[in-house]
Amino acid sequence: GAVVSQHPSWVICKSGTSVKIECRSLDFQATTMFWYRQFPKQSLMLMATSNEGSKATYEQGVEKDKFLINHASLTLSTLTVTSAHPEDSSFYICSASDRGRRVEAFFGQGTRLTVV
Amino acid sequence: GENVEQHPSTLSVQEGDSAVIKCTYSDSASNYFPWYKQELGKRPQLIIDIRSNVGEKKDQRIAVTLNKTAKHFSLHITETQPEDSAVYFCAASPFGNEKLTFGTGTRLTIIP
Repeated sequence: GAVVSQHPSWVICKSGTSVKIECRSLDFQATTMFWYRQFPKQSLMLMATSNEGSKATYEQGVEKDKFLINHASLTLSTLTVTSAHPEDSSFYICSASDRGRRVEAFFGQGTRLTVV
Repeated sequence: GENVEQHPSTLSVQEGDSAVIKCTYSDSASNYFPWYKQELGKRPQLIIDIRSNVGEKKDQRIAVTLNKTAKHFSLHITETQPEDSAVYFCAASPFGNEKLTFGTGTRLTIIP
């Protein structure tokens, strides 16, 4: 199947700093990628849809100025958590699909963010 | 928007027995229904999926059934094994749009 790589797999940062998470489709082009957040023992909640070459679409309740998404190429989307706070600590995970071949969504390995 | 409900939240099954997890969805436009298995701290792994033009799909010990009229779909795991222990999520999305709405998850424990 297609491969989606996410980096870093874990990060610890201080309150008030910013953290960038990368999501790459390694062997296919993804015009759309999705960013999810998962709190412990909870489900995956969609944060935003990342569209190549245009602005991301954010779900209700997600602050676009706090969670900056950039999708500058067909293989890379980034999520930047700005001015991080302890309540932003979570598991962030991206997904992408190779629309040219199949509809299945492939997930990155996730990023465990801890804000101290 | 879409709302997906999943039951039960936890399920313990004796090894060798069957496990059934059920989901309901609200948006009649949804026509793609995948099931994911997630182990602690890892990415969700697709285990089976079904599209709305099909009522049932089977892959070895795993099967999914879909009742589009009632807007519900179920995951069936037969001859369960300890390695089946994990959290399982159902999801729904409109075909051609990979925006997935996930259920709340079921923690499945297989008792040896």
